[in-house]
Amino acid sequence: TQLLEQSPQFLSIQEGENLTVYCNSSSVFSSLQWYRQEPGEGPVLLVTVVTGGEVKKLKRLTFQFGDARKDSSLHITAAQPGDTGLYLCAGAAGNEKLTFGTGTRLTIIP
Amino acid sequence: SQTIHQWPATLVQPVGSPLSLECTVEGTSNPNLYWYRQAAGRGLQLLFYSVGIGQISSEVPQNLSASRPQDRQFILSSKKLLLSDSGFYLCAWMGGAGNSPLHFGNGTRLTVT
Repeated sequence: TQLLEQSPQFLSIQEGENLTVYCNSSSVFSSLQWYRQEPGEGPVLLVTVVTGGEVKKLKRLTFQFGDARKDSSLHITAAQPGDTGLYLCAGAAGNEKLTFGTGTRLTIIP
Repeated sequence: SQTIHQWPATLVQPVGSPLSLECTVEGTSNPNLYWYRQAAGRGLQLLFYSVGIGQISSEVPQNLSASRPQDRQFILSSKKLLLSDSGFYLCAWMGGAGNSPLHFGNGTRLTVT
């Protein structure tokens, strides 16, 4: 069974600070996706990284896929209250199934 | 454009009662369809997925079952609910295999009393 561990589980920081969320596994994935989920809604895709070592930027969010394609990180610069939510990583193994991480609950304090 | 509808949004059911949650997708053909369950504020557990009509793969042996009677319809059922079936149930579709993203419905909050 493929497992994706996210850390930290909870993170509460002040507006304007920087943060990094980690997604780690002992398994290799063909791609890694990041989702954000608001309360009472389904997760929404933020980005997909495919190549080992790949870095993608989405405004203040920077996503990196590990060289060995076993881990990923999400870095947020100058966090804003609108960044608050549950962040989920999900790994694809080349078939029709995604394995989701344990989630990071992020709260940005104004 | 593609849309996914999931209902009901909330449901309160007594222990031992049956369950039927429905999910339909519009604007796409032959999607892969998924049912996930989410514990409060945590990750998603894959329950069932389907790559075509009548094709159901079960990931976790439990009190639930799934059916796909039509190409874009996915149903999650139970004959007798348990307290442990409470949770947030999410339906999703994927347009292809591999690196394609999942598109989620807005979920059903099920409380078994």
